[in-house]
Amino acid sequence: GAVVSQHPSRVICKSGTSVKIECRSLDFQATTMFWYRQFPKQSLMLMATSNEGSKATYEQGVEKDKFLINHASLTLSTLTVTSAHPEDSSFYICSARDHRDMNTEAFFGQGTRLTVV
Amino acid sequence: DQQVKQNSPSLSVQEGRISILNCDYTNSMFDYFLWYKKYPAEGPTFLISISSIKDKNEDGRFTVFLNKSAKHLSLHIVPSQPGDSAVYFCAASESRNTPLVFGKGTRLSVIA
Repeated sequence: GAVVSQHPSRVICKSGTSVKIECRSLDFQATTMFWYRQFPKQSLMLMATSNEGSKATYEQGVEKDKFLINHASLTLSTLTVTSAHPEDSSFYICSARDHRDMNTEAFFGQGTRLTVV
Repeated sequence: DQQVKQNSPSLSVQEGRISILNCDYTNSMFDYFLWYKKYPAEGPTFLISISSIKDKNEDGRFTVFLNKSAKHLSLHIVPSQPGDSAVYFCAASESRNTPLVFGKGTRLSVIA
């Protein structure tokens, strides 16, 4: 089946630094990718929709200047957490669907556990 | 306001018996429903889906039932196996092209 690869799987960073998370579709192309965040014992909350070649669409309450999204190609979207703070510590997950076959389901990356100390 | 609700945070079932996971939703525009399985520190993996034109979809041991009038769906796993132990998320969207809205998940423990 289609594979979405997310990297890194785990990162620890100091408060005030920036962290970049990559999401790649390995065997299909995706014009749209989605970024989710999951806090402990909570559901996956949509942060933003990443659109290839254009600006991302952010959900209400998500700061676009803090969570920078770049979707430079049909197989890669990146999420950069800028000036990270401990409250940004969470599990970040991306998902993508093959844009040529809308009958397929959305596939998810492995997730990135971010810990800001 | 949660649009997708999984009111049972956990469920324990004996191996070989049926597991029934429930999900309710409030958005009448939802047209497409999915179940995902998630292990700790991993992304969700797709299990089974159903569109609003159906009331049942079956795939092996997994069956999803949809009751549109009640805005309720359920996932049945039979027979349950220890490897089924995971967190199960119910998700919904207005179409295949729109983002998924997730419930909080139900942790299923299948006891041998």
